[in-house]
Amino acid sequence: DTAVSQTPKYLVTQMGNDKSIKCEQNLGHDTMYWYKQDSKKFLKIMFSYNNKELIINETVPNRFSPKSPDKAHLNLHINSLELGDSAVYFCASSLGTSGTQYFGPGTRLLVL
Amino acid sequence: RKEVEQDPGPFNVPEGATVAFNCTYSNSASQSFFWYRQDCRKEPKLLMSVYSSGNEDGRFTAQLNRASQYISLLIRDSKLSDSATYLCVFEEGTYKYIFGTGTRLKVLA
Repeated sequence: DTAVSQTPKYLVTQMGNDKSIKCEQNLGHDTMYWYKQDSKKFLKIMFSYNNKELIINETVPNRFSPKSPDKAHLNLHINSLELGDSAVYFCASSLGTSGTQYFGPGTRLLVL
Repeated sequence: RKEVEQDPGPFNVPEGATVAFNCTYSNSASQSFFWYRQDCRKEPKLLMSVYSSGNEDGRFTAQLNRASQYISLLIRDSKLSDSATYLCVFEEGTYKYIFGTGTRLKVLA
């Protein structure tokens, strides 16, 4: 059984488009995250949610809007995509602040 | 000073060798530290937490030096399957984790 799943795995789109990435975890965790890993492999936190509430927003442009409909899901919607948004986006989850995060397989986004 | 600094490598070592990586952090208030492993084109996976007194898990030993603000990872008897990128992670604040850029390890037959 997949613990943290993301869809889609690959996303190729044109500049200016709007796209969404979905994330689901079946671990019973209460905390979920979005990370961005750029071409230099630097993994940077974007958002943290605990019990569906936004806790951390790391000065991400407001073109990025996360939504957590319930504790098991954290989706990411991106408006007006830019070339610089090309990266791998990882969703992760944890139980509280345990620090042990389980990552999804990543969504490879390419903006042309 | 960067929040987290790691030698990017690659560290090329023969099978059976012992190899060690360090990772320095700038936030002296950090309380939690971890090592993650990331294989090529895969997601990061927790390797081990790092405890104040140091801890061991099989061939892997993690240490924390608060005075000098670094953590280390020692891998003994390296296997081919240990080839990966090792990411150090520390908790900067509640629910906020800072990842290093990773150290690439290649274990050679």
